[in-house]
Amino acid sequence: NAGVTQTPKFQVLKTGQSMTLQCAQDMNHEYMSWYRQDPGMGLRLIHYSVGAGITDQGEVPNGYNVSRSTTEDFPLRLLSAAPSQTSVYFCASSYTNMNTEAFFGQGTRLTVV
Amino acid sequence: DQQVKQNSPSLSVQEGRISILNCDYTNSMFDYFLWYKKYPAEGPTFLISISSIKDKNEDGRFTVFLNKSAKHLSLHIVPSQPGDSAVYFCAAREGSNTGKLIFGQGTTLQVKP
Repeated sequence: NAGVTQTPKFQVLKTGQSMTLQCAQDMNHEYMSWYRQDPGMGLRLIHYSVGAGITDQGEVPNGYNVSRSTTEDFPLRLLSAAPSQTSVYFCASSYTNMNTEAFFGQGTRLTVV
Repeated sequence: DQQVKQNSPSLSVQEGRISILNCDYTNSMFDYFLWYKKYPAEGPTFLISISSIKDKNEDGRFTVFLNKSAKHLSLHIVPSQPGDSAVYFCAAREGSNTGKLIFGQGTTLQVKP
């Protein structure tokens, strides 16, 4: 039982490049979400999903796309990376959208130069 | 505008004493509150939570207090241990329909031996 797995752990991108941050959970959780952590800003919600096929925007969705084709996977796509997207990204999952105890992955540290 | 605020970026206490971490919020529609603990290079881990219909919840050394009229919650750790040194985030849920969590900026707790 791996919990929430994020890949890669570290990534450096050039401005304008695209990439996908992977997130997978093996707990059969319905609810998944993506956050970014920046100094002095705490964790900010990017996108979330209440189940397969359903996604919605969080606080800071601009520049990011998501999809949820399976219960297990919730990838986050950066279509055209910008330096402002330099951050640590966390994926989280919960059993239901009650979201009373989210489990977080280890994070992906992304640098855009 | 930040809906959840942790106004103290850092706190230092002696081992064995009480640690009190504070959190203020502005949205009266928040219905559930959570505390997460984060060590460097790891994802946040759930610590304790409280429903908006309660004013106190206790779990071992950790107690969370909620003052709805003041829109304020606090986390008490008694007694504090060096292993409690971490960043603590409070989070508020925007209702069970969306399950969206809004996080504060975090408070770094240092417990000195």
